[in-house]
Amino acid sequence: GAVVSQHPSRVICKSGTSVKIECRSLDFQATTMFWYRQFPKQSLMLMATSNEGSKATYEQGVEKDKFLINHASLTLSTLTVTSAHPEDSSFYICSARDPGHTNTGELFFGEGSRLTVL
Amino acid sequence: AQSVTQPDIHITVSEGASLELRCNYSYGATPYLFWYVQSPGRGLQLLLKYFSGDTLVQGIKGFEAEFKRSQSSFNLRKPSVHWSDAAEYFCAVGTLNNDMRFGAGTRLTVKP
Repeated sequence: GAVVSQHPSRVICKSGTSVKIECRSLDFQATTMFWYRQFPKQSLMLMATSNEGSKATYEQGVEKDKFLINHASLTLSTLTVTSAHPEDSSFYICSARDPGHTNTGELFFGEGSRLTVL
Repeated sequence: AQSVTQPDIHITVSEGASLELRCNYSYGATPYLFWYVQSPGRGLQLLLKYFSGDTLVQGIKGFEAEFKRSQSSFNLRKPSVHWSDAAEYFCAVGTLNNDMRFGAGTRLTVKP
């Protein structure tokens, strides 16, 4: 099946710094990727839809200036948490749709990135 | 917009016992339905999916789920639970062109 990879898997940073998380589709091209956020013992909540070559679409309540998304190529989307604070600590998961699997609606998920802001 | 409800936050079953995790969805058209499992601190693993055809779908690890349109349900079942099945289970509904929406999750504890 299609493979989506995230990096880093874990990151610890100081409050006020910025952190970048990468999401790559390894064996397919993804025009659209999705970024989810998961707090401990909670479900995945969609943050934004990343569109290759255009601006991301953010869900209501998600600060676009805080969570910068760039989808510069068909295999890479990045999420940058700017001026991170402890409340931004969370598990961030990206996903993508493989054009070869569009008839099932399935998304392929990365392994997730755990961000801890001190 | 699509939405998913998992009524049970936490379920405990004995090893070897049968399991059923409930999932109800809300969507105006034919949904694409999924069950994922997540171990602590890990990503999601797809157990099974339904998008058309036979309403009883078989997945990995001995899991199955049945799509019941009349009840807007897609319950996950396993006839005999193993200790390694202890994890968080998420039901999700998707569409062809949009994102996937997840239920709140059900945490499964397996007693020896």
